[in-house]
Amino acid sequence: AQSVAQPEDQVNVAEGNPLTVKCTYSVSGNPYLFWYVQYPNRGLQFLLKYITGDNLVKGSYGFEAEFNKSQTSFHLKKPSALVSDSALYFCAVRGKSSGDKLTFGTGTRLAVRP
Amino acid sequence: EAGVTQFPSHSVIEKGQTVTLRCDPISGHDNLYWYRRVMGKEIKFLLHFVKESKQDESGMPNNRFLAERTGGTYSTLKVQPAELEDSGVYFCASSLAGYPYEQYFGPGTRLTVT
Repeated sequence: AQSVAQPEDQVNVAEGNPLTVKCTYSVSGNPYLFWYVQYPNRGLQFLLKYITGDNLVKGSYGFEAEFNKSQTSFHLKKPSALVSDSALYFCAVRGKSSGDKLTFGTGTRLAVRP
Repeated sequence: EAGVTQFPSHSVIEKGQTVTLRCDPISGHDNLYWYRRVMGKEIKFLLHFVKESKQDESGMPNNRFLAERTGGTYSTLKVQPAELEDSGVYFCASSLAGYPYEQYFGPGTRLTVT
């Protein structure tokens, strides 16, 4: 069975500082990994994905994530946080041999203070 | 391009009643998925359609839930009869076929069973 852990319920960061939202996963074989963001009263918006290749992937709104196979992690990062980045972030995994379904973490709320 | 739409946005029903949720995927997306998030927990997979066929319904909680996808276009998810534990946010997503394309999510339907 595949699973995702987001160990932090909330991450607090000051505007302009770098941010990291942590994600670790468990899946049989090689993973496909995704990050989504949910703003209040909105659906989940796709941010970025890792399929294969370069371990550092870049996505929307200046976000990036680093795939680390040995640590089974896919942490989301941004060099300089904006107040508008405040939202709920979900990490998701899909196994190559487990069909299309995504397995999500419980989400991490990011709060960026001015 | 229109995104994934869901109707209604909110539904409040009494235990034992029936509710039908509707999802309209992005045009041209053969894959359609239903997920559910129960209060504060992870988003869980319910089922996956490829066109009008059910590809994977391993996440459907029990036979009170019935999903259909008419002619490979929109989909409905019926809960009959509803129970208190069915409360949550129901998300629909769609994606292109093939390659691990990202899934695009709708805004969700918040279902409250009282």
